[in-house]
Formats: sequence, C-alpha cells, structure tokens
Amino acid sequence: DAKTTQPNSMESNEEEPVHLPCNHSTISGTDYIHWYRQLPSQGPEYVIHGLTSNVNNRMASLAIAEDRKSSTLILHRATLRDAAVYYCILRRDNAGNMLTFGGGTRLMVKP
Amino acid sequence: NAGVMQNPRHLVRRRGQEARLRCSPMKGHSHVYWYRQLPEEGLKFMVYLQKENIIDESGMPKERFSAEFPKEGPSILRIQQVVRGDSAAYFCASSPFVGSEQYFGPGTRLTVT
Repeated sequence: DAKTTQPNSMESNEEEPVHLPCNHSTISGTDYIHWYRQLPSQGPEYVIHGLTSNVNNRMASLAIAEDRKSSTLILHRATLRDAAVYYCILRRDNAGNMLTFGGGTRLMVKP
Repeated sequence: NAGVMQNPRHLVRRRGQEARLRCSPMKGHSHVYWYRQLPEEGLKFMVYLQKENIIDESGMPKERFSAEFPKEGPSILRIQQVVRGDSAAYFCASSPFVGSEQYFGPGTRLTVT
C-alpha cells in the first residue's frame, strides 16, 4: 500500500485558515485520498476525500496537486473545536476494507 | 439517525477474565469494522464483518480474540483471558457499503488490572 507522510504537529491561531499537508509520492492512479480526524477521547470522524480534482464540503477543502504526489487539507477558519489529530489515508479504488491510519498531524489551535 | 453506538464505554477486567465489547452500527449499515488504539499509538485495523460473515480478520491476534456480527443484534468483539497488553481503546465503525466513508463510535476503553 502506498504510504503517506504528515508533519507530527502544527499550530494555528483561532479564526485563521489552516493548511495541513500530506505527501504520498508513491500514490497509484486508483488511490483515493481520504482525510479523517480524531478529537480528544473520541472516535475518528470522516472529513473529506478526493481523487484528482479539488473538493469542498461543509467541513473543509481538499487541494490535490496536479501530479497527485501531495495534497493539502484546508480548514478555512480554525476553531478551538478543530483541535484534533488529522489523518491522511489512501484507499485503492476507493474500496478495500480497512482504513490504514498513520501517525497523523496533531493540530493545536490557540485562542 | 443515531450514530454508531458502543457499550460499555469503559470496561475494567482482571487478568484472565473475558471482555465483551458491543457495537450497534448506524441504521442501514451492514458493514462493521473494529479497530484498536493502544496507549500513545495509532489506530490499527482488526476485523471487518458483514452481516453473519467475517470478511477480513487480518488484523486480529490469532488467539483469544473473536468477533461476530449476527443477523439480529449488535456486533460483538470478544477477548478471552485478557492480559494487561489488551488495555486499549477499541473502536467500531460502520459503513453502508464497501468503499464508502466509515462512521466511528465513541469507543470502549478497556483496562486490564
């Protein structure tokens, strides 16, 4: 399975945009890019996913590089509630059974 | 529509006892996944079940662990003869079909004393 690389931690100020990077240089053509987050003491929560085009939903935006070797999760206006560990995950053919979680990025939001 | 429910939320067992963790998927979801998160570690896949069938158990320890998802009722993750190393948070997720996003429950935190 293709691997992803994320910074261990990032810091942001409340109400400012946050850009969370993910490198996946060995991504294959049929790998979808998924993002989940895990708030403290809670189960993971789906955020967004995409294949080639940029995607937007009510929670976030996903910007995918043209060569697909990297992507960026964008939170347009961070709130204290967005403090969580964010996981970038590849899923082949948008199928497969399990999610393979890496270390993720711990986002800290300062008031 | 209620989310994925897990119970108990906290479970304390002595070494050698059995632990039974229950998971009720979201309404209409027939795919259930179990993950384990050891202290200060990431989430690891354990098993994937679809009503009455185990589809993938590649992440399950070979001994003492079993899972089921009967036609009626919740999915059960059973750990026999628990040891201290089983102390972890166990998360269940469900999805309406293969490949769709997974919805996670709040987890069961198992402590083995």
